[in-house]
Amino acid sequence: EIVMTQSPATLSVSPGERATLSCRASQSVGVNLAWYQQAPGQAPRLLIYRASARATGIPSRFSGSGSGTEFTLTISSLQSEDFAVYYCQQYNNWPPVAFGGGTKVEIK
Amino acid sequence: QVQLVESGGGLVKPGGSLRLSCAASGFTFSDFYMSWFRQAPGKGLEWISYISSSDLSYSNYADSVKGRFTISRDSTQKSLYLQMNSLRHEDTAVYYCATVSADGAFYFDNWGQGTLVTVSS
Repeated sequence: EIVMTQSPATLSVSPGERATLSCRASQSVGVNLAWYQQAPGQAPRLLIYRASARATGIPSRFSGSGSGTEFTLTISSLQSEDFAVYYCQQYNNWPPVAFGGGTKVEIK
Repeated sequence: QVQLVESGGGLVKPGGSLRLSCAASGFTFSDFYMSWFRQAPGKGLEWISYISSSDLSYSNYADSVKGRFTISRDSTQKSLYLQMNSLRHEDTAVYYCATVSADGAFYFDNWGQGTLVTVSS
């Protein structure tokens, strides 16, 4: 079973600044990785799939990179609506579907 | 556009049962794999089950719910279901349904708003 580890658990960033979130897989998942955003009280929303492809309607300030076991989600210039929890999820080997524990991006 | 609306949550005693529903619209429901997730208060996302598209016939469960929960679907009603039996305190969570991606890769591109299940005496 693949374990996904996200870091940091909490990231404090000022509006307009860049945020870099990390996700590590316990074994290679190729590029079969997705990122989700969950705003407070809301359902998750797909941001990125296949490690770097933006989902429909996702702004270009969100970008994903990486392969194998190391992945990064970058938000180039944080907007107020971007303060949320972000989860990575591998889909190379399933079931079970594995999520990381999440990174909370908060206002500095 | 795609819409998923969960219902059926509520307060139930330990050992009790509950059936969740997920009403789908805006896409060809029968063509898509579907999945259930949950999120305990203040915790992360947990996948609990998926079911294949309507022309196939298989499903799978997380170990935490295997033998207690049953996923099903009704294409005529365009609905997904989760029958939950032998409920435990630790099943308390918001439950979400979601579509598996159109290309068949196991990421989830549309989510419902969730329904809260509270297991408490």
